[in-house]
Amino acid sequence: QKEVEQDPGPLSVPEGAIVSLNCTYSNSAFQYFMWYRQYSRKGPELLMYTYSSGNKEDGRFTAQVDKSSKYISLFIRDSQPSDSATYLCAMSGGGDSWGKLQFGAGTQVVVTP
Amino acid sequence: GAVVSQHPSRVICKSGTSVKIECRSLDFQATTMFWYRQFPKQSLMLMATSNEGSKATYEQGVEKDKFLINHASLTLSTLTVTSAHPEDSSFYICSGRNSYEQYFGPGTRLTVT
Repeated sequence: QKEVEQDPGPLSVPEGAIVSLNCTYSNSAFQYFMWYRQYSRKGPELLMYTYSSGNKEDGRFTAQVDKSSKYISLFIRDSQPSDSATYLCAMSGGGDSWGKLQFGAGTQVVVTP
Repeated sequence: GAVVSQHPSRVICKSGTSVKIECRSLDFQATTMFWYRQFPKQSLMLMATSNEGSKATYEQGVEKDKFLINHASLTLSTLTVTSAHPEDSSFYICSGRNSYEQYFGPGTRLTVT
């Protein structure tokens, strides 16, 4: 079983809809949770960063972490065609493990005009 | 924000040759650098962790004699793929971190013919 599970999609939504992405994980030592966006043949770009449980909002993006369920989510409101990309969840422990990321498989998102 | 660069962005080499990839943190000091590998349509897999001035720590299944990592300064880490084979063709991505932040490089696409 992988430490981080993420549905690879593809997930197709019409422009303006809400994109809902999620990951589950098995390692209770994970404390830091990130969402990255990756365009084809490019390095990942950090979208959201959350420590422990809770919600975080930044513009059209909302990240949620539920440590009790080992479940994290990313919501993209008012989606645009430019949001079409692969979205990767990632997580790490604290201390010396901080930054040593375990990634999900990535979900390919297609926003259609 | 901070930038991590990689050079070259893409490289094609013949089977049996060695290839060096550089990872530089341009405006912050990266006490730790991570090297990831990403095969097509797959997620990023951590290969190794290197701390400045120390030997790298490799993940299970990654051959340390094949993937030589040097982290000689707080701004430069290199990955050398020795005796490359076609199965080493992949997208190699580095990330640098200090106590507060972590940034990914744009990646290097290696093709071994």
